[in-house]
Amino acid sequence: IAGITQAPTSQILAAGRRMTLRCTQDMRHNAMYWYRQDLGLGLRLIHYSNTAGTTGKGEVPDGYSVSRANTDDFPLTLASAVPSQTSVYFCASRQGLDYGYTFGSGTRLTVV
Amino acid sequence: DQQVKQNSPSLSVQEGRISILNCDYTNSMFDYFLWYKKYPAEGPTFLISISSIKDKNEDGRFTVFLNKSAKHLSLHIVPSQPGDSAVYFCAARWSGGSNYKLTFGKGTLLTVNP
Repeated sequence: IAGITQAPTSQILAAGRRMTLRCTQDMRHNAMYWYRQDLGLGLRLIHYSNTAGTTGKGEVPDGYSVSRANTDDFPLTLASAVPSQTSVYFCASRQGLDYGYTFGSGTRLTVV
Repeated sequence: DQQVKQNSPSLSVQEGRISILNCDYTNSMFDYFLWYKKYPAEGPTFLISISSIKDKNEDGRFTVFLNKSAKHLSLHIVPSQPGDSAVYFCAARWSGGSNYKLTFGKGTLLTVNP
């Protein structure tokens, strides 16, 4: 089934640890995005990539990094996790200008 | 500075009645608007969109209205069904930007009571 796969589904992480959230899509979409969803704050953009080999910063990029080595994969890395990074993380991709994003099912991350 | 605002955190309606979800935006550069629906433990799913050159777009039970002068859009669901119970996010985009990123509102939790 075509779509976006995120892994892990959930994770409890000790503060200070490094972690990479994985995102893979099989739709050959050029653009990909990482959002975090927090209660009362909605969805906020962390980083994006318009095409393989390029990335950009969103609204809340601090503490996160991304890479886009190929079209399919867009991993999000927390270099040294802090409790404020406890959130649900959604990866998304975009098909075309007049289409909305396709979202993955999310990764629920708890930093303790 | 919140550019897309959904001022009602929650809305409760009876099955069969109309649900109206509202969204306001402040950035006059936004020219494309979308609504997403999100069930618990799932990612948001695209519902309906509207370009700024239109004032209405309809898809089955869902209609989105855009009032550019008021910087306001609304989503109408008629008739509402219990399966419509979800969080609804309004999103906006500026097509002149380089990344077509979406700016989301905080969401409105819709509960449709049988």
